[in-house]
Amino acid sequence: QSVLTQPPSVSAAPGQKVTISCSGSSSNIGSNYVSWYQQLPGTAPKLLIYENNKRPSGIPDRFSGSKSGTSATLGITGLQTGDEADYYCATWDNSLSAGVFGGGTKLTVL
Amino acid sequence: EEQLVESGGDLVQPGGSLRLSCAASGFTFSPYWMNWVRQAPGEGLVWVSRINSDESSTNYADSVKGRFTISRDNAKNTVYLQMNSLRAEDTAVYYCARGAFSEGLDDWGQGTLVTVSS
Repeated sequence: QSVLTQPPSVSAAPGQKVTISCSGSSSNIGSNYVSWYQQLPGTAPKLLIYENNKRPSGIPDRFSGSKSGTSATLGITGLQTGDEADYYCATWDNSLSAGVFGGGTKLTVL
Repeated sequence: EEQLVESGGDLVQPGGSLRLSCAASGFTFSPYWMNWVRQAPGEGLVWVSRINSDESSTNYADSVKGRFTISRDNAKNTVYLQMNSLRAEDTAVYYCARGAFSEGLDDWGQGTLVTVSS
């Protein structure tokens, strides 16, 4: 059971928009920045969003992040088949003194 | 090119030990926090441990506390994970990742597979 809660799966058609939620608590999301990672099949994770809503160089603006209270959201617009992957939220948990990841959300682009 | 390359994964019996290494290249290694993150087959990402730039601060997941030890050698641009008293549930691909959670883990290695089985 992950400390951060994500939906197991989401799906949408090419060109559409999807959002992935990440729910935590005051000791993690409520107190710290959230980052998001994309893991394509058979590859290592890649940083998509950091500090709640910032994109590293090379990440297209189709990807966005937001945070409100103890929840965070990843948004992806203009869906492409190449976006099919597992997506993870992560942050630091002050009570656990540990890094925490969500359980991951599998995105299917129909 | 910035690169992290893990090594040391192997098949080990329950109760055994293993040391993983992660060699960094293409960037200045010493200022960065370094992490180990693992992923069991078909499962999600789980943070394992982290170490700060001068080894003065380390943290561990409860599941590995007392059994795993993280360390680094800035002269060799390498971070290590010493794993003792291994259990079947430690079976996973182990990734090293650069950075602090506050800024995102912005560089990852390709992973090394640890299998704990008799």
